Amino acid sequence: EAGVAQSPRYKIIEKRQSVAFWCNPISGHATLYWYQQILGQGPKLLIQFQNNGVVDDSQLPKDRFSAERLKGVDSTLKIQPAKLEDSAVYLCASSLASGGRVSEQFFGPGTRLTVL
Amino acid sequence: SQKIEQNSEALNIQEGKTATLTCNYTNYSPAYLQWYRQDPGRGPVFLLLIRENEKEKRKERLKVTFDTTLKQSLFHITASQPADSATYLCALDMNTGKLIFGQGTTLQVKP
Repeated sequence: EAGVAQSPRYKIIEKRQSVAFWCNPISGHATLYWYQQILGQGPKLLIQFQNNGVVDDSQLPKDRFSAERLKGVDSTLKIQPAKLEDSAVYLCASSLASGGRVSEQFFGPGTRLTVL
Repeated sequence: SQKIEQNSEALNIQEGKTATLTCNYTNYSPAYLQWYRQDPGRGPVFLLLIRENEKEKRKERLKVTFDTTLKQSLFHITASQPADSATYLCALDMNTGKLIFGQGTTLQVKP
C-alpha cells in the first residue's frame, strides 16, 4: 500500500515569507497529524484532524500557522509569516484510529524547512 | 505537564550485543507507550506498542518492558546489527490518540 506522501521535500525561504506544505495520508486513514521536529528533538504535535474536523490544535501557533483538511483526505499546513525559529522538519502522519482510540501512526518523509 | 526523558547521549555498542534504551516519564502513567525508529532524513517508523497493564512485549529481536511503578519503559534489541543503527523514539499515548514524543536516543552498532 502507498505510504504517506508529502511535498515539497525541502524548502528554503526568507523570514517573513509564507510557505505551504501538502500531505496525502494513507487511503482510509481517518486521523491525520502534523508534527514539527526541530533538530535533535522528538516530533511535537501541531494539529490533529479526525476526518475534516480538528481534534487538537493546542500547540499550533495560530497567529502564524494554519492548517486545513478539506474533504477529510489531503491536508495543507501554512506558515505566514515565517520566523527563523520555524526552521525544522514538518512531518505528516496518519492512522486508522478514531474516537481517541490508540493506533500506530504512519509518517511521511517530512518537509525540511530552512528560514533565512 | 507530562515530561518524557530519553538518554540524549548516543549509545555505542558492538555488533551481537544487546542494546538497552531507556524512556522515563513524569506525572501520571500513560495508557499506552509506543516505540518508533527514525533514520536520518526519514519519518519515524512504528515498532512496538505496549499497554499499561502489560509488563512485556516482544517482536522478533525487539523487547519492550513497561514499569508503571518506576514510570519507565526499557527497549531492548538483542543480537544487534549495524543495520539497527538509528534514533529510537518513545512516545506516550494518554488514550487520546495524541502522542507525546521523547527526544530520542541514537544507537550506533559497530561491526
